[in-house]
Amino acid sequence: GENVEQHPSTLSVQEGDSAVIKCTYSDSASNYFPWYKQELGKRPQLIIDIRSNVGEKKDQRIAVTLNKTAKHFSLHITETQPEDSAVYFCAASKGFQKLVFGTGTRLLVSP
Amino acid sequence: SQTIHQWPATLVQPVGSPLSLECTVEGTSNPNLYWYRQAAGRGLQLLFYSVGIGQISSEVPQNLSASRPQDRQFILSSKKLLLSDSGFYLCAWSGGAIGQPQHFGDGTRLSIL
Repeated sequence: GENVEQHPSTLSVQEGDSAVIKCTYSDSASNYFPWYKQELGKRPQLIIDIRSNVGEKKDQRIAVTLNKTAKHFSLHITETQPEDSAVYFCAASKGFQKLVFGTGTRLLVSP
Repeated sequence: SQTIHQWPATLVQPVGSPLSLECTVEGTSNPNLYWYRQAAGRGLQLLFYSVGIGQISSEVPQNLSASRPQDRQFILSSKKLLLSDSGFYLCAWSGGAIGQPQHFGDGTRLSIL
């Protein structure tokens, strides 16, 4: 079955810097890749997603890139702010199958 | 619009007691439903998922069970709780089409004493 690996497990940046979180997946047939943000004690919330027919997608300060050949996708956050501090999860799925989540990245943005 | 309700928000139970957590979805029909557990500071562990009434797939062998008595209702149960059952329990739903995101409820924080 699908396996998703996520790196790094923790990431500390200064406010205003960029942050990049990378995920790799094992099943080349996977075609849907969402990213979730989970603030402390809260539920995970979808922040952006990408499908395999697209290489990049942007939404204001966040973007996701997909490299199907290398089987990896990345979350990019520019001009980070303290409120970006949270745990971020990537996930992958194919067809009608359920999402497989990465292990999460704890992002800390220091003022 | 679709909404997902999960209750209770917090629960403290003694070891060996039973458990029932309920999740309902509004504004959609035939959703896929999921139960996850999250230990403190850890990732999302899928416990059960359901693609229809009475259809339950178990991901992890344990003393928990799930039921889907109605299309938009998903229940997580246990007959006798263990200390290791403590955690943050999240219900989620997704559409049945290809490549659908999951939308999570607010979760239940379960503490076993």
